[in-house]
Amino acid sequence: GAGVSQSPSNKVTEKGKDVELRCDPISGHTALYWYRQSLGQGLEFLIYFQGNSAPDKSGLPSDRFSAERTGGSVSTLTIQRTQQEDSAVYLCASSYVVVGGGDEQFFGPGTRLTVL
Amino acid sequence: AQSVTQLDSQVPVFEEAPVELRCNYSSSVSVYLFWYVQYPNQGLQLLLKYLSGSTLVKGINGFEAEFNKSQTSFHLRKPSVHISDTAEYFCAVSDKQSNFNKFYFGSGTKLNVKP
Repeated sequence: GAGVSQSPSNKVTEKGKDVELRCDPISGHTALYWYRQSLGQGLEFLIYFQGNSAPDKSGLPSDRFSAERTGGSVSTLTIQRTQQEDSAVYLCASSYVVVGGGDEQFFGPGTRLTVL
Repeated sequence: AQSVTQLDSQVPVFEEAPVELRCNYSSSVSVYLFWYVQYPNQGLQLLLKYLSGSTLVKGINGFEAEFNKSQTSFHLRKPSVHISDTAEYFCAVSDKQSNFNKFYFGSGTKLNVKP
């Protein structure tokens, strides 16, 4: 079956431009996550959507970052006025969420963002 | 809140040697534990997970991990590694008592298997 897909796979932009990164989760998964993986760093949690609940935005590094999830499916991560330090691989994951937890997160291949 | 520590950022090892990648976590509540692997230029995939029951968990590619509650550890082991095991490995925890499936990841350990 189809896994988590992300687009574009690579994005090169100039400093100060806005970018949009897209994530298509696995069908039926109610939870969706965005992470950032910088060179030599681990996974940095950015934002988490679950069903109709208010998203957990506690990981967003600044107000230049925002995300939305339309119709409980596709999500878009937007970075405004990009800076060079935003260069990283942005990973999306999705999962079921059932009572008791413990559900595996399935990851997409990531979008490599380069800000010149 | 939970936190995960992977003590070794890089682990070099020769092919066919055993390896242990260390993971310690800090949490005030019971947790689920996971190991993910990221091969070069790929996304993360699940190696194994501990939910409950037997503390020794077996995963894919011959890996296993043991949950030690008293030491709050979940170390990953393989008795004999292959070149193809060269990858980055991430340990993660999630809170059993939460209604949210939020993961906390460690900083990763790069396993470099040499011929």
